[in-house]
Amino acid sequence: SQQGEEDPQALSIQEGENATMNCSYKTSINNLQWYRQNSGRGLVHLILIRSNEREKHSGRLRVTLDTSKKSSSLLITASRAADTASYFCATTTSGSRLTFGEGTQLTVNP
Amino acid sequence: NAGVTQTPKFQVLKTGQSMTLQCAQDMNHEYMSWYRQDPGMGLRLIHYSVGAGITDQGEVPNGYNVSRSTTEDFPLRLLSAAPSQTSVYFCASSKGYGGSNQPQHFGDGTRLSIL
Repeated sequence: SQQGEEDPQALSIQEGENATMNCSYKTSINNLQWYRQNSGRGLVHLILIRSNEREKHSGRLRVTLDTSKKSSSLLITASRAADTASYFCATTTSGSRLTFGEGTQLTVNP
Repeated sequence: NAGVTQTPKFQVLKTGQSMTLQCAQDMNHEYMSWYRQDPGMGLRLIHYSVGAGITDQGEVPNGYNVSRSTTEDFPLRLLSAAPSQTSVYFCASSKGYGGSNQPQHFGDGTRLSIL
């Protein structure tokens, strides 16, 4: 079973708008990571937030983590057509396993 | 710097055939892993390794074997291919023995079809 679940499954917005994707998980985590996957390519790491952090920024990306609600959100500000991709959250619990959610397909229309 | 290299990029097999998917990384990463990606199911962990000579099972290990004789290479073997193994396979690596706590570097995948 998947540890992380992204919401929504698909999101379509206009260029310049902000995109928000959510991730919920079931068990306590060490950290949570977000990845992007362009069509036909491998996943690319975007940002890692540790369980003792609440918010992290990287360029146009803002990630929040609420361990009490077992949820995280990824905000992409001022989206561009090049941001069109699938976005995945991944969590690490104890041990050496990284578990991915099913992803959110983001489409940014020019 | 090549990063994580997977070969082949595409492969078609017949049911019952065996084959090896190759994965090599040139970043001296200790942690390597294999995932399969199926529509609507995200990525599922098949096997992983925290260092040369050490491997362990992931979520969906049945029908697959791995070995880790060197730090650089982590091949995935399909013993007797089945149509249910049609998927896109990704190899990933990261530094450190607690590699799952580090950003993962992914290859571009092997698209495998079993007829």
